Amino acid sequence: DAGVTQSPTHLIKTRGQQVTLRCSPKSGHDTVSWYQQALGQGPQFIFQYYEEEERQRGNFPDRFSGHQFPNYSSELNVNALLLGDSALYLCASSLPGTGKNEQYFGPGTRLTVT
Amino acid sequence: QKEVEQDPGPLSVPEGAIVSLNCTYSNSAFQYFMWYRQYSRKGPELLMYTYSSGNKEDGRFTAQVDKSSKYISLFIRDSQPSDSATYLCAMSDGPSSASKIIFGSGTRLSIRP
Repeated sequence: DAGVTQSPTHLIKTRGQQVTLRCSPKSGHDTVSWYQQALGQGPQFIFQYYEEEERQRGNFPDRFSGHQFPNYSSELNVNALLLGDSALYLCASSLPGTGKNEQYFGPGTRLTVT
Repeated sequence: QKEVEQDPGPLSVPEGAIVSLNCTYSNSAFQYFMWYRQYSRKGPELLMYTYSSGNKEDGRFTAQVDKSSKYISLFIRDSQPSDSATYLCAMSDGPSSASKIIFGSGTRLSIRP
């Protein structure tokens, strides 16, 4: 059973550019959350997708947007990149109906903005 | 003030020692408490999941929650070099996947052989 997968592994972009990161959830999971983890910090919640809609959002600007597809995979888009957007972007999927908020994380995409 | 505070370390202990990792929090609505382990260049991996106050044991790991003090701990017995990683505490106010999870900044742990 494949766990959460993310692509690409690494990415280098220039300030002002746009980027799209991709995530496939663990088999059977229908909820996908995205987190930003700066160096030396814990993950910060960006937003969560469920049934192809954004269900919750953290304190991130509108430059951060997302999408969830019918097969539950998800994309994170960041427009007008800033140097401060350099971080590890983590995707996590959740198992529904267990009464437990257990999130399973992918390996992340490391984004460098120059 | 951050909702969740965690000493970043680094913490270095000899193999076989008992390790104590701690977090404090300010939001009394938090009911569900988690510990994640994150190896270098990997995503976090869930280690322990607990509800409300009390202790939970799983092998060499014990999670402890004191809601009256807003303080949670993770103890690692008979520590091994393979336990060297960053440990993140996390908490949420609800059990379902719809509840937001708030993470601490992580404590970097090194176990010396």
